[in-house]
Amino acid sequence: GENVEQHPSTLSVQEGDSAVIKCTYSDSASNYFPWYKQELGKRPQLIIDIRSNVGEKKDQRIAVTLNKTAKHFSLHITETQPEDSAVYFCAIFGNEKLTFGTGTRLTIIP
Amino acid sequence: DTAVSQTPKYLVTQMGNDKSIKCEQNLGHDTMYWYKQDSKKFLKIMFSYNNKELIINETVPNRFSPKSPDKAHLNLHINSLELGDSAVYFCASSPGPGAYEQYFGPGTRLTVT
Repeated sequence: GENVEQHPSTLSVQEGDSAVIKCTYSDSASNYFPWYKQELGKRPQLIIDIRSNVGEKKDQRIAVTLNKTAKHFSLHITETQPEDSAVYFCAIFGNEKLTFGTGTRLTIIP
Repeated sequence: DTAVSQTPKYLVTQMGNDKSIKCEQNLGHDTMYWYKQDSKKFLKIMFSYNNKELIINETVPNRFSPKSPDKAHLNLHINSLELGDSAVYFCASSPGPGAYEQYFGPGTRLTVT
């Protein structure tokens, strides 16, 4: 079945520095890889996604890279700001459903 | 102009009771989902419906029964509530086959005492 491992589980970064979160998966049929940001008490919000025919996608300070051969993908946040503090989830789409990683709590230190 | 809405936002009830959570989306999407997020923040799919038809039932106890009266609504009814049902339940929707991005509702925090 689908399995997604996400690391690290917690990450503290100085404001202005970069943050990287990594996910690995086992289902080679997965073809869609979104990242969600969840602030405390709020809903998960889609922040960026990538499909299996693309290796990298960027949206302002956020980028996602995908290595389909190695079955891993990563979220990169540059020039971090206090409002980036949240829990981030990776996910994979396969068998008509999203399977989520276990989440990374990112804390930006002012 | 809320895209995906849920009611109620909070639900506190006693063990053994029956309760319902309602979800509506005004995005014109074909597919809707229910997720459970436990105290450790794990997000796990429970059900999905495509155009009112059940697609996924992810080994959820049959005390949980989803109902989709039309493709804009997906409700969740829970019978004989147990302590372990306490969690945040999120509804989500996506455009449909081939368009995988999902948009979540605000969540319903269910507390069973």
